Amino acid sequence: GAGVSQSPSNKVTEKGKDVELRCDPISGHTALYWYRQSLGQGLEFLIYFQGNSAPDKSGLPSDRFSAERTGGSVSTLTIQRTQQEDSAVYLCASSLPGIRSYNEQFFGPGTRLTVL
Amino acid sequence: AQKVTQAQTEISVVEKEDVTLDCVYETRDTTYYLFWYKQPPSGELVFLIRRNSFDEQNEISGRYSWNFQKSTSSFNFTITASQVVDSAVYFCALGEPSGNTPLVFGKGTRLSVIA
Repeated sequence: GAGVSQSPSNKVTEKGKDVELRCDPISGHTALYWYRQSLGQGLEFLIYFQGNSAPDKSGLPSDRFSAERTGGSVSTLTIQRTQQEDSAVYLCASSLPGIRSYNEQFFGPGTRLTVL
Repeated sequence: AQKVTQAQTEISVVEKEDVTLDCVYETRDTTYYLFWYKQPPSGELVFLIRRNSFDEQNEISGRYSWNFQKSTSSFNFTITASQVVDSAVYFCALGEPSGNTPLVFGKGTRLSVIA
C-alpha cells in the first residue's frame, strides 16, 4: 500500500555534520507534518505544511532546523551542524485537507537519528 | 496553552486482564479534538480514535473503549481482555478547533501485556 514513507530509516552522524531526512506523503494529502520523538518524550511538533500556504515553523527548536516541501509532495527536513541533543526519531505524517475538522494523520515509520 | 498529561509511564498486565490508560488534557478552547494513537514496536503510529469535544458519548470498538469526561478533562482508554498484541506505546493527543493542524501529544504510556 502507498503509505507515508521516510528515508533513511536510520542515520548515524557525527556532531557538527548536516543531515537531510526525507518524507514521501500519501498521494493527494496536502497537509504534511514533521514531529520529533525523543527518548521518553511524546511527539513534539516541528513544522507543518498545508497546501500552498506558508509553513507553520513555530515548532522548530532552533535555526539549525529547516524544512521544505517541493511540488506540494515530498518534504525534506534539514538539520545543520547537528548536536547530540538532536538525536531522536523524526516522524512525518500526512493528511487530507480539512476545514473545521480533523482528518486522520497517517504516520511514516520514522527516521532514527543518532548524533555521536 | 494546550497540554496533555499521561501520568502512567509504563503499565504491565497479564494477558486477559483489563487495563485503563489515563489521559488528562488542558485547553482554553471550548471546541477541540481528542485522539488516541498506538505505536507498536515497528514504530509507526496507528490512529485509534478521534473525538470531538461536543460529543461526550463513550465509545466502544471491540475490546477498546473510551471514556470522555469533560468535567474532569479526561479521555481514558480501556482495553478489555488484553492480548500480547496490545503491547505498544499509546499516545493521547489534543487538536485545535480549527481542525487539521498539528496535534499536541502526551508523553505516552508503554503497555506490556505478558502471556
